[in-house]
Amino acid sequence: QKEVEQDPGPLSVPEGAIVSLNCTYSNSAFQYFMWYRQYSRKGPELLMYTYSSGNKEDGRFTAQVDKSSKYISLFIRDSQPSDSATYLCANTYNQGGKLIFGQGTELSVKP
Amino acid sequence: DSGVTQTPKHLITATGQRVTLRCSPRSGDLSVYWYQQSLDQGLQFLIQYYNGEERAKGNILERFSAQQFPDLHSELNLSSLELGDSALYFCASSVGVVNEQFFGPGTRLTVL
Repeated sequence: QKEVEQDPGPLSVPEGAIVSLNCTYSNSAFQYFMWYRQYSRKGPELLMYTYSSGNKEDGRFTAQVDKSSKYISLFIRDSQPSDSATYLCANTYNQGGKLIFGQGTELSVKP
Repeated sequence: DSGVTQTPKHLITATGQRVTLRCSPRSGDLSVYWYQQSLDQGLQFLIQYYNGEERAKGNILERFSAQQFPDLHSELNLSSLELGDSALYFCASSVGVVNEQFFGPGTRLTVL
C-alpha cells in the first residue's frame, strides 16, 4: 500500500465548476500537508501548505485536512481552463523533511 | 518562476555513461532536495542536503551521488546509466526551518 493515494483521473469539468481533489494517507505520523500543481513536464508549483486539521483558503483554492480519517482535499472554485494540470498532494513527517507524493490527479477544465 | 534554477534542461546520453545535473537554490535557502519523476513511480525523493551536509536519503541508487557546495548549489551525479534512469529530475529548495519546498523546472534525462 502506498503511503499517499490519489485517484489519477483524468477528471474533466466544465469551466466555472467547483473541483474536488482528494488524497488519503496511511501514516498517522504525517504532520504537514501540501498541494502542488504541475503543468505538463514543468516543475511542481506549491499551491497550499497546511499543518493542522481544518480548512485553509487562498483565493479560489481551499485545502481541507481531516487527520482523524487521514483524508485531505483541495477545492477549486470557479475553475478556469488555466487550472488544467496535474495536482499532487504531498505529506511529510516534519518540517524540513522529504515529501511523500501521491501519484497526482490530472484535471482538465473545458471552456 | 520559483527562483530555483536547474541545468541542463535536457540531456540525451547512452547507457553506461555518467552525467551531472546542477541546481541553484533560491536566494537564502539552505536546503536542497533532489527528486526523480518517472511515469510508473511518480515523484520520488532521492536525497536532501542542508548547508553542505547530507541530511536525509531516500531511494537513491548507489550509482547516484550528490553534493552541496559552499555556495549552496548542488550537483547530482548519475553514473553507469541504464535505460530505466530516463526520467525528470527535479531540484527543490527550502529555507530549512519550514517545509515549503520550491521546485525548479527540472532536467529531462533520456538514456538511449
